[in-house]
Amino acid sequence: LAKTTQPISMDSYEGQEVNITCSHNNIATNDYITWYQQFPSQGPRFIIQGYKTKVTNEVASLFIPADRKSSTLSLPRVSLSDTAVYYCLVGTGDYKLSFGAGTTVTVRA
Amino acid sequence: DTAVSQTPKYLVTQMGNDKSIKCEQNLGHDTMYWYKQDSKKFLKIMFSYNNKELIINETVPNRFSPKSPDKAHLNLHINSLELGDSAVYFCASSQGLQGGTEAFFGQGTRLTVV
Repeated sequence: LAKTTQPISMDSYEGQEVNITCSHNNIATNDYITWYQQFPSQGPRFIIQGYKTKVTNEVASLFIPADRKSSTLSLPRVSLSDTAVYYCLVGTGDYKLSFGAGTTVTVRA
Repeated sequence: DTAVSQTPKYLVTQMGNDKSIKCEQNLGHDTMYWYKQDSKKFLKIMFSYNNKELIINETVPNRFSPKSPDKAHLNLHINSLELGDSAVYFCASSQGLQGGTEAFFGQGTRLTVV
C-alpha cells in the first residue's frame, strides 16, 4: 500500500478555500485516492475519491496531476463545521484501508 | 436507519475482564472491518472479513477474537483486558474489491480499561 504524507494541521477562516495536499510517491497503477473526514467522537466519513485529473462533488474537489504522485483536496468556502481531521488514503480496495496521521483542519470565525 | 451501528457506545471495565463489542451493517456489504483509534488519533486496521471469512489479521494479540455470524454482523470479543486496550474501536463496512473502496464507519465504541 502506498504511503501517504500530508500536513499535520492547517488553520483557516470561514469563507476561505482550504487546500490539503497529500504526497503518495509510490502510488501503484491500480491505486485510487480517497479522502475521509472525521469529526470528534465520530467515525470517518467518505468525502471523495479519484483516479486521475479532477473529481468534484457537492462537498469537495480532488485534483490529481498526471504523475499521480500527489493529490489535493479542495474544500470551497469552509465553515466552522468543516473543522475536522482529513485523511488521504491510497489503495486498491484490498480489504485494508490504511489511514495515515491525517490533517487537522481548524476553521475560525 | 443507521448504516453501521455499534454497541455499546461506551464501555468502562476493569483489567482482566472479558468484553464484547457488536457491529451490524444494513447496507448489504460483503466486507466488514474493525479499526482501533488510540489516544494519538491513529486509525489502525485490526481485522477485515469478506463474506464471513477472515481476510486480514493485523498483528493483533490473540486476546482479540472477531466473529462474523453472517455478512451483516462482525463482533469483537476481547479477553483479559489490559490498560493498553483503552481506545476507540470502529467498525466499518464496504462493498467489494473494486479499486478504491468507500467504507462506511460506525460511531465508535470508546473502551476504557481501569
